[in-house]
Amino acid sequence: NAGVTQTPKFQVLKTGQSMTLQCAQDMNHEYMSWYRQDPGMGLRLIHYSVGAGITDQGEVPNGYNVSRSTTEDFPLRLLSAAPSQTSVYFCASSYSTQNYGYTFGSGTRLTVV
Amino acid sequence: GQQVMQIPQYQHVQEGEDFTTYCNSSTTLSNIQWYKQRPGGHPVFLIQLVKSGEVKKQKRLTFQFGEAKKNSSLHITATQTTDVGTYFCGTSYGKLTFGQGTILTVHP
Repeated sequence: NAGVTQTPKFQVLKTGQSMTLQCAQDMNHEYMSWYRQDPGMGLRLIHYSVGAGITDQGEVPNGYNVSRSTTEDFPLRLLSAAPSQTSVYFCASSYSTQNYGYTFGSGTRLTVV
Repeated sequence: GQQVMQIPQYQHVQEGEDFTTYCNSSTTLSNIQWYKQRPGGHPVFLIQLVKSGEVKKQKRLTFQFGEAKKNSSLHITATQTTDVGTYFCGTSYGKLTFGQGTILTVHP
């Protein structure tokens, strides 16, 4: 059991570039989420999914796209990177939102210059 | 939607002192989850509370859910340097959202 795997761990982008942050889990979890963490701002929900083919927006979705074609994978796409998207990104998954905690990946530290 | 506010934002204690962080909501919550994030690490699930007035303990950590299910607290007795980190409360209702977190530093 690898848990939640995020790649890459570090990334530097130039303004305007696009990229995809990868997230994969091997626990057969239905629920998956993406968060960004900025100093003093806590963990803010970007997008989430309650199952394959189903996604919805969180608190700060602008500038990001997601899709969920399989239960295992939940990639986060930055369409045109901006310096304001410099942050640490965490992917998390759970069997259920009601009675189970979420398992987090180790994060991707993204810098946009 | 269900939202939570967490206080204080920072707490500095001497090793051996107690520590408490509070989580509050204006609406009745389905549940409260607590997470710990060590410096440079990722959040790790500690516990979930779902019942009104529920109290759970994990060694030196005591978690409470208010009678009205609108507030919760995490209390650490006799802090140790290993308790350093950020403690988050969150609520899950179709999605998991968090309070701002409390950053705990422990001076030896």
